[in-house]
Amino acid sequence: DVKVTQSSRYLVKRTGEKVFLECVQDMDHENMFWYRQDPGLGLRLIYFSYDVKMKEKGDIPEGYSVSREKKERFSLILESASTNQTSMYLCASSLYTTGNDEQFFGPGTRLTVL
Amino acid sequence: ELKVEQNPLFLSMQEGKNYTIYCNYSTTSDRLYWYRQDPGKSLESLFVLLSNGAVKQEGRLMASLDTKARLSTLHITAAVHDLSATYFCAVDDSNYQLIWGAGTKLIIKP
Repeated sequence: DVKVTQSSRYLVKRTGEKVFLECVQDMDHENMFWYRQDPGLGLRLIYFSYDVKMKEKGDIPEGYSVSREKKERFSLILESASTNQTSMYLCASSLYTTGNDEQFFGPGTRLTVL
Repeated sequence: ELKVEQNPLFLSMQEGKNYTIYCNYSTTSDRLYWYRQDPGKSLESLFVLLSNGAVKQEGRLMASLDTKARLSTLHITAAVHDLSATYFCAVDDSNYQLIWGAGTKLIIKP
């Protein structure tokens, strides 16, 4: 089974702190994604990566950056956390293949910024 | 731009009843995915539909895809309380990304 893990299930940070959220997948997937999920707004893509050191902005990249130094690991960075970044953050991965882009999700990190 | 619309967004039903959730999308795609999310949890893959006419079934859930109509349905047969969850459809945009519906919150009352 594909396993996607996230470094924390719950995180509480203060405004202005630098926050790192880490995601690791164990199935050699090329593609990795970071979403945030807020009530009434569904899933919104922040960034995705289709290869090591490659990244593409999603729909809401402002206030975030990402790092992918190794294939299995994709990090989301909040350079200076703000209260409007309080949310559920979901990491996902998918295999690079034509015809099936099914994504597999980690358990999520619920981030609260005070 | 590909847009995905689910309806209804909220559904409350009695156990034992049948119902259908609809997922419409705006541009051509022949790959669609259904996911389930329990409260406070992450998303779990339910069905992968990769061609026109694809039908998949798991227990009381059945999903189908009509690419000509740009429509997928998730049919619930004889609902049970354990199926209470939020269901999302997602459509492949042919650029390794999925475009997500808003989700259908399903509550099944005993």
